[in-house]
Amino acid sequence: NAGVMQNPRHLVRRRGQEARLRCSPVKGHSHVYWYRQLPEEGLKFMVYLQKENIIDESGMPKERFSAEFPKEGPSILRIQQVVRGDSAAYFCASSPSTVGTNEKLFFGSGTQLSVL
Amino acid sequence: GENVEQHPSTLSVQEGDSAVIKCTYSDSASNYFPWYKQELGKRPQLIIDIRSNVGEKKDQRIAVTLNKTAKHFSLHITETQPEDSAVYFCAATSSGGYQKVTFGTGTKLQVIP
Repeated sequence: NAGVMQNPRHLVRRRGQEARLRCSPVKGHSHVYWYRQLPEEGLKFMVYLQKENIIDESGMPKERFSAEFPKEGPSILRIQQVVRGDSAAYFCASSPSTVGTNEKLFFGSGTQLSVL
Repeated sequence: GENVEQHPSTLSVQEGDSAVIKCTYSDSASNYFPWYKQELGKRPQLIIDIRSNVGEKKDQRIAVTLNKTAKHFSLHITETQPEDSAVYFCAATSSGGYQKVTFGTGTKLQVIP
């Protein structure tokens, strides 16, 4: 049972470039969550998606950030025109149905984004 | 939305002693409370969870208690070992259409051999 797969593991970008972070959920899971973690800090919710739908993007900055979870393929978190403040670890998690019933979040290993 | 507060932010204990981490939440409709352990550079991993219809749950050296009236829940680790050293996050779900998991700010636990 392959877990949540995130790639790349490390991503280096210069200011102004675009960053694309990929997340393949556990097979059969249709719910994906993205969290951001700064060093020595907690997990900040960004966005929650189901297949082809954004359910809650209240934690995601309105500008430069976007997310998708297409019918086929991984979920993508896209950051345009990156700035140094975007440097962080970005974690993806998946669940087979809404958490709070019998399901739990399974986390990927994260993508460490460094903006030079 | 849900707000989860976690204390302490850092905790040092001697090997063999107990460690207690406390969290409070704001949304009285929250009904699922997981705890995650994150080792340095690794992914958060679920170690134990509790639902609102239960007051206490135990799994070997780890236990979690829930007080719904006071809206707080705690993680208890007994007979701590060096490999328990990690950051621990509590979390709670929020209501309103779907249940979003909101995390506390984390507790860095250091077990001193």
